[in-house]
Amino acid sequence: GQNIDQPTEMTATEGAIVQINCTYQTSGFNGLFWYQQHAGEAPTFLSYNVLDGLEEKGRFSSFLSRSKGYSYLLLKELQMKDSASYLCAVRGGGGNKLTFGTGTQLKVEL
Amino acid sequence: DTGVSQNPRHKITKRGQNVTFRCDPISEHNRLYWYRQTLGQGPEFLTYFQNEAQLEKSRLLSDRFSAERPKGSFSTLEIQRTEQGDSAMYLCASSATDRGYGYTFGSGTRLTVV
Repeated sequence: GQNIDQPTEMTATEGAIVQINCTYQTSGFNGLFWYQQHAGEAPTFLSYNVLDGLEEKGRFSSFLSRSKGYSYLLLKELQMKDSASYLCAVRGGGGNKLTFGTGTQLKVEL
Repeated sequence: DTGVSQNPRHKITKRGQNVTFRCDPISEHNRLYWYRQTLGQGPEFLTYFQNEAQLEKSRLLSDRFSAERPKGSFSTLEIQRTEQGDSAMYLCASSATDRGYGYTFGSGTRLTVV
C-alpha cells in the first residue's frame, strides 16, 4: 500500500517563501506530483519529480529524495492568489493511479 | 484542447435514487480516471480505463458503483441506490501516457444526497 503525509495547514506572509513537506511510503515508486487546488475547483498540475533533485519552474520548485521518501514544494514571492490546498501525490505500486495526500491548506496573509 | 469536461456540475438527489455522471476527456488522451473527494481530503482513486478497457478498480468502488467507457472516448459513472455517504465531489481526469506529467482534471461533479 501507499501512505502519504503532509501538514494540514500552513500560514505565510505575502512576498515570503514557504516550504511544504511531503513524506511517503510506497511499495513501488514511479513519480511524485504536486497539485494546487483552490476551493471548489479541480486540482491543477504544478510539478513532477521522478529522479532525485530539484525541479524549478518559475516561482515554484519541487525537490525529491527517493531514499528518504521525501519531497517538498517551495513557493517563492508568495502572492495572495497562492492561498489554496497543495496536494502531494505518488504514482507507484506497479499501477498507473496517483495516490494523494490529504493536502496542505496554505493561507497567505498581508 | 478544450480540457476535461464533466456534467453535470452539481447534482442533488434523494437517498435511494440512481445518478449518472458523464466525463469527456481530452480527445487525444487514452487513459481516463475517476476519483472521489470529500471536504478536507485529497482525491481518492475509484477506477481507471485505458481506451475502453477498465484496468483497475478500487475496493472503494462497491457494487452500487459502475463505470463505463464504451468507445474509448467519454465515460459514465453510475451510482445506484445512493446513500448519504456518497455525497462528495466526483472528479474525472485524463492522461495520454503512464509517464510524464500526471493528469488533467475536470471541474468535477458535486453530488449531494439528501
